[in-house]
Parts: sequence; structure tokens; C-alpha cells
Amino acid sequence: DAGVIQSPRHEVTEMGQEVTLRCKPISGHNSLFWYRQTMMRGLELLIYFNNNVPIDDSGMPEDRFSAKMPNASFSTLKIQPSEPRDSAVYFCASSFTGGVTEAFFGQGTRLTVV
Amino acid sequence: QQQVKQSPQSLIVQKGGISIINCAYENTAFDYFPWYQQFPGKGPALLIAIRPDVSEKKEGRFTISFNKSAKQFSLHIMDSQPGDSATYFCAASRDDKIIFGKGTRLHILP
Repeated sequence: DAGVIQSPRHEVTEMGQEVTLRCKPISGHNSLFWYRQTMMRGLELLIYFNNNVPIDDSGMPEDRFSAKMPNASFSTLKIQPSEPRDSAVYFCASSFTGGVTEAFFGQGTRLTVV
Repeated sequence: QQQVKQSPQSLIVQKGGISIINCAYENTAFDYFPWYQQFPGKGPALLIAIRPDVSEKKEGRFTISFNKSAKQFSLHIMDSQPGDSATYFCAASRDDKIIFGKGTRLHILP
């Protein structure tokens, strides 16, 4: 398996534009997580899905952020409109929750909003 | 609310020394405590993990010590090597949810 695949790896956009981050989890995993990493706040859990259903989105900063998981092999995180304070590295991770929750992370998307 | 508190924020250790990173948690419902290692430009990767029913787990040079009554756990890296230089995250989980500490940036001096 290629692991968790995220795209794009880098994204530079202007303030006010819509940004869509993509994630393909590991095949067979039934949970998917979106995290945001910044120097100030570390790794923040934004939202997680179990069996394609959003379970906890309490970490989503505000209504400008939305996430979807239309099927077991694909998820998106959308920011509309984007703001400079959204600049961060966004990680997607997946896991199989048949026992302990071991998350496997993608390489991340570095987002810069100018 | 920060559910997992990690310290120190950064750590410098001489090659061959012992690196120690500490974490504390608040929610007694957590039942799994992993440590992740992250190299620059990469996502975090699982390093070692422990259940609260044991007080210590060792894998090679890496040891987790767990104190359930104090709700604290720590990572010890013995004989620290320059290749161990990375950011380390402690975490706590229950069911599907994993909460991470803010991370410790470790630098091992050659």
C-alpha cells in the first residue's frame, strides 16, 4: 500500500480564494482524521470520520472550513474564503479501529495564504 | 481545553545522553497512549505506545514510563543519536479519537 496520499503537497493562494485539500486513506481503514499543524498550536484535530460519517467536528475553526468524505477512499477539506491565518500544514491520517487507534499520516499539504 | 500537555517544548541533548519528554493528560477515559516521531517535511509516524495497565514499555532505546495515578507518562531515549533529532508528539486516545500534545523539538548534538 502506498500509504495515505495527500494532494497537493504545497498550495499558495490569495486571501479570499477557495482552497480544497484532498486525501486518499489507506485501503481498509475505516477512520479518517484531518489535523492542522502550526508552530503555535501544534497538531490540532479538526475533524474525524468513521465509516465515512463525520463523528466529531468540534475542532473545525469556523464555518469557513468544511470537510466531506463521499466514500471510503476519498476525503476533502475545503476552506472558503481562505485567510492568511489559515496558513499551516494540514495532515490527513487514517486508521483501522478494530482495536487500538494507530493513525497513519500522509505527508501533509503546506498551505500558504497571502 | 488542552487535554494533553507536553514538555519541554524543545530539548538539546549530547550524543549518547538520555532524552526525556514528559506528558500529562486530563481525561481518565483515555486508554491508549502512543508517541509519534516527525522528521522535517514528513507526517508523524508511530514510534511506541502503551496501555494504562502497564507501567513501562521498552523497545530498543525507547522506553515509555506510565504513571496512571498521576496521569502522566514520559518517553526516554537512551544513548541518544543525531538521527533521533526530530519532533516528538505524545498522544492519548479512546475509541476513534486521538489527541496530541504540542510536540517537543529534540536536537541531538554530534
